[in-house]
Amino acid sequence: DTAVSQTPKYLVTQMGNDKSIKCEQNLGHDTMYWYKQDSKKFLKIMFSYNNKELIINETVPNRFSPKSPDKAHLNLHINSLELGDSAVYFCASSQEIGGGERNTIYFGEGSWLTVV
Amino acid sequence: RKEVEQDPGPFNVPEGATVAFNCTYSNSASQSFFWYRQDCRKEPKLLMSVYSSGNEDGRFTAQLNRASQYISLLIRDSKLSDSATYLCVVNRMDSSYKLIFGSGTRLLVRP
Repeated sequence: DTAVSQTPKYLVTQMGNDKSIKCEQNLGHDTMYWYKQDSKKFLKIMFSYNNKELIINETVPNRFSPKSPDKAHLNLHINSLELGDSAVYFCASSQEIGGGERNTIYFGEGSWLTVV
Repeated sequence: RKEVEQDPGPFNVPEGATVAFNCTYSNSASQSFFWYRQDCRKEPKLLMSVYSSGNEDGRFTAQLNRASQYISLLIRDSKLSDSATYLCVVNRMDSSYKLIFGSGTRLLVRP
């Protein structure tokens, strides 16, 4: 069983479109995250939810909107896609916020988004 | 200056070699430190935590120098399967509770 699963794995879409990436974790964790890894391989946090409550909201364009219907799901909706949005988006979860020593963060396999 | 800096490599070493990576961090509020491993086109996975006293896990040894704000990872007796990108990660235990990732050091182990 995949602990953190996200769909779709690959997404190619045109500029201006709206798309969503879904994420589910079956680990019973309270905290979920969205990370973006760009072409230079930097992995940066975008959002973090703890028990469905938004905890971290980095400086991300408001075209990106996370939604957490319950603590096992955190979806990412992107409006008006731009070329610069092309990246790998990783969903992740941990028991508590912060990814501490005894609070390992588990990542999903990533969603490769290409905007053309 | 980036908050976490690593030499991108690649480090190209023969099997059996010992290789070491360093990482520096700029924020003295950083409290916890980790090494993650990321294989090509895969997700990052925790390799090991880094403790102040240094710690070892099989062929892997991690060290932390708080005074100089750097972290190291030593891999002994390299295996082909060690080929991956190694990400240095720090956790600021301030109100942000964020993990800050370095861009990674790529290791290639050749036969």
